[in-house]
Amino acid sequence: DVKVTQSSRYLVKRTGEKVFLECVQDMDHENMFWYRQDPGLGLRLIYFSYDVKMKEKGDIPEGYSVSREKKERFSLILESASTNQTSMYLCASSAQGQGRSPLHFGNGTRLTVT
Amino acid sequence: AQRVTQPEKLLSVFKGAPVELKCNYSYSGSPELFWYVQYSRQRLQLLLRHISRESIKGFTADLNKGETSFHLKKPFAQEEDSAMYYCALRRNNNNDMRFGAGTRLTVKP
Repeated sequence: DVKVTQSSRYLVKRTGEKVFLECVQDMDHENMFWYRQDPGLGLRLIYFSYDVKMKEKGDIPEGYSVSREKKERFSLILESASTNQTSMYLCASSAQGQGRSPLHFGNGTRLTVT
Repeated sequence: AQRVTQPEKLLSVFKGAPVELKCNYSYSGSPELFWYVQYSRQRLQLLLRHISRESIKGFTADLNKGETSFHLKKPFAQEEDSAMYYCALRRNNNNDMRFGAGTRLTVKP
């Protein structure tokens, strides 16, 4: 069974802080994703990565960056946190190729920026 | 660009009643469509995908390319079906997935 683990369930940060959200998957998946989940807006794609050191912007990349130095780990970075980044952040992974799998999600990190 | 629309934010039915959660999409190519479900305090998980053409927990969904829809249906809703449901689309030549805004289904006893 695929396991996607997000390092923190809850985080509280102050405006202007640099924030790191970490995600690890154990199924050797090529693709990894970061979404934010907000009521009434659903899941919106921030960034995704299809290989180590490769990344592509999603629909709302502003204010975020990502890092993928190893295949199993995908980090989301808020360079200077703002209150409008208070949200639930979901990490996901999937396999590529002919056997493209659906996305497998982590439990989420609820970030509050005060 | 692809777009997924779930017109109902909230849907409430009584136990045993039929339920239909609507999903419409816009994409000019051949999409892959999915339904994901999130039960209270659980992670988002796959419910079904159109290429599997299977029924999961009594739910079915048929891809209608003419109407660009992928509605989720169940003939007799159960209280344990109460959850948040998301429709999602993946383009056939890409790996990223886009989601709708979600529908919160409540099944009343």
